[in-house]
Amino acid sequence: DTEVTQTPKHLVMGMTNKKSLKCEQHMGHRAMYWYKQKAKKPPELMFVYSYEKLSINESVPSRFSPECPNSSLLNLHLHALQPEDSALYLCASSQEAVARTEAFFGQGTRLTVV
Amino acid sequence: AQRVTQPEKLLSVFKGAPVELKCNYSYSGSPELFWYVQYSRQRLQLLLRHISRESIKGFTADLNKGETSFHLKKPFAQEEDSAMYYCALLDTGGFKTIFGAGTRLFVKA
Repeated sequence: DTEVTQTPKHLVMGMTNKKSLKCEQHMGHRAMYWYKQKAKKPPELMFVYSYEKLSINESVPSRFSPECPNSSLLNLHLHALQPEDSALYLCASSQEAVARTEAFFGQGTRLTVV
Repeated sequence: AQRVTQPEKLLSVFKGAPVELKCNYSYSGSPELFWYVQYSRQRLQLLLRHISRESIKGFTADLNKGETSFHLKKPFAQEEDSAMYYCALLDTGGFKTIFGAGTRLFVKA
């Protein structure tokens, strides 16, 4: 299995809603990532987990809350989002950082905040 | 600062023509460089990395440390090559992939 799977594919939520994005990989990768991608822009890193611990938070607002329950799963909890948070949210994984290898990306969740 | 620059937002070529997508980087030390591709409605995926020195789908990229460049080349473009291409650099910590702004390649019939 060489895929990163994200659910849901699409999500529409109101500004007062609470929702979660899910990501799963079974490649034995120990680094997992959340990226945000706006239309016609490159992905922007949000969070990095290494061995289930948060290693990097790129100054992301607290309305985005990541969680890594185990080495295969990564969640992104959303609460009180703004319309400008509408974007494609990408999950990725890679071998441990010391391996310095490429990232494998999921298909993304297209989020619309209304 | 670590940075990747892709000067062309859009590159349009005819089928069968050579194509070169430019990438310049800024990095102290030996960089890990990649080209990622995003076809329409598909996930972002690795096309090639400099360390493997292989040709994928006819594309090659050579690291030129003197010019700090990692241009992507293909001698004969195909319509199915139409996609968004991102040059990327792995940061010193090994976690963060730094993407260029991307170049949209459009191959015309």
